Amino acid sequence: ELKVEQNPLFLSMQEGKNYTIYCNYSTTSDRLYWYRQDPGKSLESLFVLLSNGAVKQEGRLMASLDTKARLSTLHITAAVHDLSATYFCAVATSGGGADGLTFGKGTHLIIQP
Amino acid sequence: DAGVIQSPRHEVTEMGQEVTLRCKPISGHNSLFWYRQTMMRGLELLIYFNNNVPIDDSGMPEDRFSAKMPNASFSTLKIQPSEPRDSAVYFCASSWAQLGQFFGPGTRLTVL
Repeated sequence: ELKVEQNPLFLSMQEGKNYTIYCNYSTTSDRLYWYRQDPGKSLESLFVLLSNGAVKQEGRLMASLDTKARLSTLHITAAVHDLSATYFCAVATSGGGADGLTFGKGTHLIIQP
Repeated sequence: DAGVIQSPRHEVTEMGQEVTLRCKPISGHNSLFWYRQTMMRGLELLIYFNNNVPIDDSGMPEDRFSAKMPNASFSTLKIQPSEPRDSAVYFCASSWAQLGQFFGPGTRLTVL
């Protein structure tokens, strides 16, 4: 059974600081996704990582994937209040085609002015 | 682009009643997914379809749950009979190839 673990599960940080969220998964997969969810809202796709060594950046967020270590990171640079949300990583359950995702428990991020 | 459309957005029903949730995927997407989100269990995959064919329903919790996709633009998730523990937010998502899944706004279900 595929397991996806995120840490930390809760993070409170100051504006302007840098931090990293980690996502470990238990079985081989080369497709990893990051989503953002605001309270009471749906999930917004942030990054799709499809190969070992993939790195993607959008604004103050950067995601990377190391399939050998079964690890993905989401790095936040110079955090701003608008980035406060819950961030989920998700891993495809099998290789090839479109497959269901197994989600981590989410990292609840609060950025304080 | 309208995005994934779900209805109803909110549903309150009594235990034992039948509940039907509806989803219209993004036009051109060939895969459709149903997820459930609760505080206790997080986000769980219930079932998904590729080209209208159910591929994996191992996440469907019980026989009380059923899902259909009669055509490329419509899917339903039915719970009969409903129980209080079915209370959750149910998300539908669609995708094309490996380009990521796009989620609908969700249906918040409360079973009294």
